[in-house]
Amino acid sequence: AQSVTQPDIHITVSEGASLELRCNYSYGATPYLFWYVQSPGQGLQLLLKYFSGDTLVQGIKGFEAEFKRSQSSFNLRKPSVHWSDAAEYFCAVGPTNYGGSQGNLIFGKGTKLSVKP
Amino acid sequence: ETGVTQTPRHLVMGMTNKKSLKCEQHLGHNAMYWYKQSAKKPLELMFVYNFKEQTENNSVPSRFSPECPNSSHLFLHLHTLQPEDSALYLCASSQDRVETQYFGPGTRLLVL
Repeated sequence: AQSVTQPDIHITVSEGASLELRCNYSYGATPYLFWYVQSPGQGLQLLLKYFSGDTLVQGIKGFEAEFKRSQSSFNLRKPSVHWSDAAEYFCAVGPTNYGGSQGNLIFGKGTKLSVKP
Repeated sequence: ETGVTQTPRHLVMGMTNKKSLKCEQHLGHNAMYWYKQSAKKPLELMFVYNFKEQTENNSVPSRFSPECPNSSHLFLHLHTLQPEDSALYLCASSQDRVETQYFGPGTRLLVL
């Protein structure tokens, strides 16, 4: 079955520290990969996406993610966290070709990030 | 206006009320989506419209009725809801079904 796992429900880091949020997926083929961020009471904002090519992708707000095919992972990283990064982060996978109901994004349950001053 | 907008942002309704949620996308996309986000649950896809045609209904109760009059507008009509329907309802759009989805800010719904 297709699935996305974000093993960390809640992470707390100090401001200025580095961050890595984990995402693993189970999918029939290499999917499109996304990271979204959601601030409280808001919608989801796209941070970055991987469709093909370089496996290290850069996104907005200083985030990057690395696709590792052998590990079925797409972990999100940031070298230095800012207090404004406190939010919930969602990993999602989607098909590269539309195939009926299989053509939907699958979201992880999210990782809530808290930032200590 | 840019991106995807949703109105109202907050809605409180009784179980016997009828209300509608509105979504508008200003991105020229062809596909639009309704999602439900409840506490402690992953995002649940409710409906998908592609070129104004409903292509999916993920076993959503009939008390939720979607409408897509054109590629830019999507509505979710609500009637006789239950308290468990209280959630954040998110609208999204994409150029094609497999392209990146862009989300609106959501409507926070409370059913009393």
